[in-house]
Amino acid sequence: EDQVTQSPEALRLQEGESSSLNCSYTVSGLRGLFWYRQDPGKGPEFLFTLYSAGEEKEKERLKATLTKKESFLHITAPKPEDSATYLCAVLRGGGSNYKLTFGKGTLLTVNP
Amino acid sequence: NAGVTQTPKFQVLKTGQSMTLQCAQDMNHEYMSWYRQDPGMGLRLIHYSVGAGITDQGEVPNGYNVSRSTTEDFPLRLLSAAPSQTSVYFCASSYASSDYSYEQYFGPGTRLTVT
Repeated sequence: EDQVTQSPEALRLQEGESSSLNCSYTVSGLRGLFWYRQDPGKGPEFLFTLYSAGEEKEKERLKATLTKKESFLHITAPKPEDSATYLCAVLRGGGSNYKLTFGKGTLLTVNP
Repeated sequence: NAGVTQTPKFQVLKTGQSMTLQCAQDMNHEYMSWYRQDPGMGLRLIHYSVGAGITDQGEVPNGYNVSRSTTEDFPLRLLSAAPSQTSVYFCASSYASSDYSYEQYFGPGTRLTVT
């Protein structure tokens, strides 16, 4: 059974205080790992897809990395507007028959 | 493009009532899915469809029905609402091809309360 575990469950940072969120996974035949951002009362918004160990992707203050067992979302010098829940999901399968399994998310709060 | 739209945004039902949550997308995506999101549980897949006329069960399908008569629409039907179905429901869509990233686009959600 595919498993995705995110840690910590909640993280509180001061503005400018860099940190990392973790997503560890167990999946047979990983096809990709996704990071989403979810604001309160809204649907998840896509951030990154990573396909293979060693891959890195960046977007503004966010950088996602992937190893064979886990992914990290690094947040550099965060701002209050980065406050959100960050979701990780793993993709198994492909073509018209794929399965996406989500973690429970990390609630990030950035204080000014 | 409007993306993925869902209606209604909020709904209150009494136990035993039935209703349909609507989902539509205008991106010509083959793959559409329904998730429910509960506190401490994350997003869980209810049903999905890989194209018009094709649907399949996800992780938590009991109590829900779906059909897909067009590429654009993927309604979710609650047959006889129960308090355990109180949740936030999200519809999502994506391409279903290895040529794309399988990136799913989510709708804004429907908050359902069953009393």
